[in-house]
Amino acid sequence: AQRVTQPEKLLSVFKGAPVELKCNYSYSGSPELFWYVQYSRQRLQLLLRHISRESIKGFTADLNKGETSFHLKKPFAQEEDSAMYYCALQGAQKLVFGQGTRLTINP
Amino acid sequence: NAGVMQNPRHLVRRRGQEARLRCSPMKGHSHVYWYRQLPEEGLKFMVYLQKENIIDESGMPKERFSAEFPKEGPSILRIQQVVRGDSAAYFCASSPQRITPTGTTEAFFGQGTRLTVV
Repeated sequence: AQRVTQPEKLLSVFKGAPVELKCNYSYSGSPELFWYVQYSRQRLQLLLRHISRESIKGFTADLNKGETSFHLKKPFAQEEDSAMYYCALQGAQKLVFGQGTRLTINP
Repeated sequence: NAGVMQNPRHLVRRRGQEARLRCSPMKGHSHVYWYRQLPEEGLKFMVYLQKENIIDESGMPKERFSAEFPKEGPSILRIQQVVRGDSAAYFCASSPQRITPTGTTEAFFGQGTRLTVV
């Protein structure tokens, strides 16, 4: 079975504080993992993918196969980071999403 | 390239009517994905189509729901005899080929159709 779990529906942090959005997955094959973001009144868009090991807008995510996790992190949150974040797993046939975490950055 | 276009943006149907949701993928994209987002829930995979073929429909309810992606024209998600529980936001995404991590392929999303059944 292919499953993505984001345990936190809501996450609120202060500007400048570190952010970590949790994502755990279940998949029998080699996982291909992504983070998507949806800003207010905008469409869902790709933030980053695990294979590229890049940092986008200060966010990074490391695949931990032992813990089956792909947590999204940023050391210093900014107000413009407030959005809905979805972790996604590409399986053999389909792209499956977690339930999403609504991140709010307080000034 | 106008991006993935979904229409209508909002659709209201009475119980028992049919709902037809359209998705025009980005130019050059031959892969389409449909997702449903229920209130307070995440994106649930419904169906994955390539031109004229259904590749994976494991997320589609067995009855009343169907999807197509013809050679010409948009992809259509059709819901017959709608019920209140069908009220949700339906999102479409497209990609030029199967999404893989090794290339630049990614899924591009439309803005969604919000279906309300009254």
